[in-house]
Amino acid sequence: DAMVIQNPRYQVTQFGKPVTLSCSQTLNHNVMYWYQQKSSQAPKLLFHYYDKDFNNEADTPDNFQSRRPNTSFCFLDIRSPGLGDAAMYLCATSRRTGSGTEAFFGQGTRLTVV
Amino acid sequence: AQKVTQAQTEISVVEKEDVTLDCVYETRDTTYYLFWYKQPPSGELVFLIRRNSFDEQNEISGRYSWNFQKSTSSFNFTITASQVVDSAVYFCALSDSGNQFYFGTGTSLTVIP
Repeated sequence: DAMVIQNPRYQVTQFGKPVTLSCSQTLNHNVMYWYQQKSSQAPKLLFHYYDKDFNNEADTPDNFQSRRPNTSFCFLDIRSPGLGDAAMYLCATSRRTGSGTEAFFGQGTRLTVV
Repeated sequence: AQKVTQAQTEISVVEKEDVTLDCVYETRDTTYYLFWYKQPPSGELVFLIRRNSFDEQNEISGRYSWNFQKSTSSFNFTITASQVVDSAVYFCALSDSGNQFYFGTGTSLTVIP
């Protein structure tokens, strides 16, 4: 059974129209991550939560926001998507910090901006 | 700063050949963790292996083996007798004492039947 679930798998949005991607986990992990992966590139960390503590990467555009209402769910909000935001968005979880536990990834949401 | 380099962008091999994917990392931490992930066309990153910086033992799991050498800051991955199902993008990653995973740019492996 899938442990990190992302919805939807494919999302088409209009230029400038807000969009929300969702992620849920059944692992009860403390840490949840959002990564952006563009074609043929490495996943790029946007931000992560350790429990309710939000950690934003310095180069993550303000256009990207996140919410984590509870342990199981995490959302990625893109306030005004541009063409350059078209990418695969990956959600991941890990058990805790400093222990080197692996991250578990969802199947990703592929975002197209038209 | 943490950095992971996968110099091989694309590799093609014929089925049943052995193939080695290279990974070189940089870190100033004494405690760190190294990972390999497989990303098939479906998109999900699948965890393959984790190694901590204090464990240089090589590991074999079926057709997969990993060679960790701190002296050269390398963590290479070998697939023996490759199969078409091994075709995917493979990412090497480094994790430090914080929450972050630093990924290499990936190696796209194509196994030709």
